[in-house]
Amino acid sequence: QVQLVQSGAEVKKPGASVKVSCKASGYTFTSYGISWVRQAPGQGLEWMGWISADNGNTNYAQKLQGRVTMTTDTSTSTAYMELRSLRSDDTAVYYCARGSRIAATGPSDYWGQGTLVTVSS
Amino acid sequence: EIVMTQSPATLSVSPGERATLSCRASQSVSNNLAWYQQKPGQAPRLLIYGASTRATGVPARFSGSGSGTEFTLTISSLQSADFAVYYCQQYNNWPTSFGGGTKVEIK
Repeated sequence: QVQLVQSGAEVKKPGASVKVSCKASGYTFTSYGISWVRQAPGQGLEWMGWISADNGNTNYAQKLQGRVTMTTDTSTSTAYMELRSLRSDDTAVYYCARGSRIAATGPSDYWGQGTLVTVSS
Repeated sequence: EIVMTQSPATLSVSPGERATLSCRASQSVSNNLAWYQQKPGQAPRLLIYGASTRATGVPARFSGSGSGTEFTLTISSLQSADFAVYYCQQYNNWPTSFGGGTKVEIK
């Protein structure tokens, strides 16, 4: 069965960086893309960006441009999301989700369990 | 960016009753709309895509309708497992965007 398993919770200080991993199994990794979506405490869903696991093409939300990098390691079927210059309003649960191989838009049919990132001094 | 507006914010429904959730787009998104269900402490679950196609394993009591700017998610007979927050998402235009959610609670 399709599974996306994310890395564990992180606590970071303002200005630091965090890198969250998302290991996929149960499907051909390079046939899909991975989107990253975050959810601040008690808030709704915010799309952060997308990466094609086939060719590494990326597409980031404008507000995060310059601070976020998404990558994949096809040898281990793992996607990564790195967010730099962390601020307190980056505190959120970060989700990876399976999506289209070729387009940044599209529904996400399988989701990871989420990774809580807390930014606090 | 397309703004997605969901209403109501909270819907109080008794088990066995019908629930109707609305989602409006600030401009046409054709039928490129998805619905997700999220329970506390869990990741979202895809229910509907293409405005009206149920995802794998989704019970038939969930149905989606609409196109353009107005969309509806209907739960025909609410069960205890259905009390959750529901989000719509448009994926017609970049960037994709989500509505603010509708919480379906027990009346």
